[in-house]
Amino acid sequence: GAGVSQSPSNKVTEKGKDVELRCDPISGHTALYWYRQSLGQGLEFLIYFQGNSAPDKSGLPSDRFSAERTGGSVSTLTIQRTQQEDSAVYLCASSPGLGTGNTEAFFGQGTRLTVV
Amino acid sequence: DAKTTQPPSMDCAEGRAANLPCNHSTISGNEYVYWYRQIHSQGPQYIIHGLKNNETNEMASLIITEDRKSSTLILPHATLRDTAVYYCIVRAGSARQLTFGSGTQLTVLP
Repeated sequence: GAGVSQSPSNKVTEKGKDVELRCDPISGHTALYWYRQSLGQGLEFLIYFQGNSAPDKSGLPSDRFSAERTGGSVSTLTIQRTQQEDSAVYLCASSPGLGTGNTEAFFGQGTRLTVV
Repeated sequence: DAKTTQPPSMDCAEGRAANLPCNHSTISGNEYVYWYRQIHSQGPQYIIHGLKNNETNEMASLIITEDRKSSTLILPHATLRDTAVYYCIVRAGSARQLTFGSGTQLTVLP
């Protein structure tokens, strides 16, 4: 597609349930990033992929959060046993990849997760 | 990555130039200055970036001081649709993610 696509756009789930959020990056982009943004807050980095590997998982807030990427393309962010504090907009971005610092990242429109 | 400092909010009259400042006094030689903006309820949008030379594109101009310790994003003719939070970010060539601060809430007034 022309841009980064995320699905679903909105997700309401009950506390304690597991959720999966999907990100389709721009075709050919090898780098993929997940961020989250709580209401009225800034963007919090979660995890970064280069190809299918995740060299930087430093931002994952707990072991309930995990992410994978297959085929160097689609990525899924999984939150197990969701808590109310997980409610946020989860944003995905992609960029052409490592090598130079002057490659911009393109963001999707996000998935708004509400845990009730 | 170096830390940036931006004013929390600014107003600008529609049709006038909006000048958004950013301090990055600890910037390293290999770090680029990036600007993104986030319009309410949307994902961040890339605006412009530069290393040491001034840059211009169809959206904005980026002025970087000679010592690279500060920069200014200029929107030459602000419109109501430019109302957004503007983020100034410094990022090294080998860095992997963009680290967002609090940004500047720009409000363009009619």
